[in-house]
Formats: sequence, C-alpha cells, structure tokens
Amino acid sequence: QVELVESGGGVVQPGRSLRLSCSASGFTFYSYDLLWVRQAPGKGLEWVALISYDGSDKYYADSVKGRFTISRDNSNKDTSKNTLYLQMDSLTPEDTAVYHCAREAGLFGNDPWIGYWGRGTLVTVSS
Amino acid sequence: QPVLTQSSSASASLGSSVKLTCTLDSGHSSYIIAWHQQQPGEAPRFLMTVDSDGNFNKGSGLPERFSGSSSGADRYLTISNLQSEDETDYYCETWDTYSRVFGGGTKLIVL
Repeated sequence: QVELVESGGGVVQPGRSLRLSCSASGFTFYSYDLLWVRQAPGKGLEWVALISYDGSDKYYADSVKGRFTISRDNSNKDTSKNTLYLQMDSLTPEDTAVYHCAREAGLFGNDPWIGYWGRGTLVTVSS
Repeated sequence: QPVLTQSSSASASLGSSVKLTCTLDSGHSSYIIAWHQQQPGEAPRFLMTVDSDGNFNKGSGLPERFSGSSSGADRYLTISNLQSEDETDYYCETWDTYSRVFGGGTKLIVL
C-alpha cells in the first residue's frame, strides 16, 4: 500500500536551514506529482510546494517562494527507495509547523487532488 | 487562485446526520473540490471529490454513510448515522495549474 514517511524535522534557529525528506513506497514513484503541505500549531492546512512527476515543474506558495526548494530523486526504479525533499532556507518562526508529504490521486497529474498523506514531521523555528 | 470558505465548527448528535459546507469564491464556482478528514496526530485522509453537478467519488474503504453533493458554489460533505470517531477536523481542497488551496477547516463536534 502507499506509504509516505517524513523525516528531518527538529528545532532550528531563525535564519538557519533545514532539509526535510519523504520516503515513499507502494507505488510507481516517478509517475505521480508530489506536494508538501504544512500545518502550524492550532491552525489549518497550508499548501507549501508541488513538484511534477518528472521534476520539470515546481510551484510554491507565496509565503515560501525564494526560500524553499522542492526536489525529488526519480533515479531509483526500486519502488522501495524513492524520496521527496524540501530544502528550507532563511527560516522564520512563522515556518513552525508539521510538514506533511502528500501524493496526488492520479497518474501524471491527471487527478490533481491529494490522494495520500504522510503523518508529518514537526519543524520548530525558535531561538 | 481559488478561495475556499468553511465554517469553523459544526455540531450534531450521535446517530444523526450533519452536512458540512465548503464554498468556492464566485470566480471559481464550477471547480471540483476534495474533502479530507484529519484526526489529531494522524495523517489526513482523503474522503471524496465533489463536482459542480453533485457527483462525488469516494476514496477506498470509506463507509456508505459518507456522501457528497453540491449547489452552485457550495460543495457538501454529509455524514449520516454519526459516530463518535467522526468528531474531528474536515478540510476541503481545490486546485489550479499553479497552486493548491485549502479551506480553513471545520471542527465537527458529535454531541
């Protein structure tokens, strides 16, 4: 079955960087668009970034544009070892949130709603 | 980009039905939306999509007591025979080419 497991969260000082990873399994990784969605403490869901199935297209929320970079490693055709990344630079306290990895429902962006979610990893930006 | 509006909370009695609403802004009133459920500390779960004609397509394994419908710019999630485990947060989602958008979420309280 589809599994998305995030890692890399932790406590980081304002202005520093952090890289999140999402290990994906149970589906043909290189055939699906992937996303990062975050949830600040006590708040709702906020879309952060999206990357197309082949990595050619990347889109960002205005709140993170220019500071965050989404990427993916499609080089491994072994379905048990596929990873999505989120490089987060110039972090601010407003970036404190649980960061969820997510997969779109359909192949190659054809059904663009989120079909599967990971449990998330907590990022806390504090001095 | 689209804007989605949800009531912050809703309540209904155990065993009854509740209808949650997600409203699209006027410029995007024909859009399809997706409903997601989020239990505390858990990964959110995709529930269903709802289109402007009221057609809904449920995710795998979702009980029959969950259904969708629509009217104009409103997209609904109806939960029948409410159970205690339905008390949690519900979000709607939509999209355009360059972005994804969520509503603010509705906290459902089962009395």
